[in-house]
Amino acid sequence: NAGVTQTPKFQVLKTGQSMTLQCAQDMNHEYMSWYRQDPGMGLRLIHYSVGAGITDQGEVPNGYNVSRSTTEDFPLRLLSAAPSQTSVYFCASSTPGTGGGETQYFGPGTRLLVL
Amino acid sequence: GESVGLHLPTLSVQEGDNSIINCAYSNSASDYFIWYKQESGKGPQFIIDIRSNMDKRQGQRVTVLLNKTVKHLSLQIAATQPGDSAVYFCAEGHSGNTGKLIFGQGTTLQVKP
Repeated sequence: NAGVTQTPKFQVLKTGQSMTLQCAQDMNHEYMSWYRQDPGMGLRLIHYSVGAGITDQGEVPNGYNVSRSTTEDFPLRLLSAAPSQTSVYFCASSTPGTGGGETQYFGPGTRLLVL
Repeated sequence: GESVGLHLPTLSVQEGDNSIINCAYSNSASDYFIWYKQESGKGPQFIIDIRSNMDKRQGQRVTVLLNKTVKHLSLQIAATQPGDSAVYFCAEGHSGNTGKLIFGQGTTLQVKP
């Protein structure tokens, strides 16, 4: 299994540009999430999905859109990039464990710089 | 509001010593807690988790303790090794939705040889 994959690894945007961060998982996980991590900070939840066709907002959803048309993919869209969106973005997937424990598996991250 | 915080931003230990990283949480409704390790330039890596019906759980060289009375979580690493150097995050959530976690700020663990 490749686990959780993210593309691109690095991206530089100009203010106002749009782009999509890709995330895919091959573990058949129901849940997928997007987080952003700013320097010296923990991760903050942007959007999450509990299954195909279902999405919901996290702590910091403004400026981001998501969709979940398949179990495997969960793209994150920036419609009009702003310098405040400069961050490292992590995608994660999870599924309820048989023992009651649920574990999120994280991708390697996408580093985004908005000029 | 909800918050998950760490008491110490940086912890420096001697190789071979035990490490203890602490975390406070404020949402008494949280029933699932996780510790993650993040190395530079990488995504968080799961270490160990614990549910609210337990107060202790052990893994390989790691132990998580949960004190619901004071809303405190700790990660103990036995015989700390240089490879343990990283940032450690605690996170809290609800068993009904594991796609939604709240992370603490993080503690940097530095292991001195």
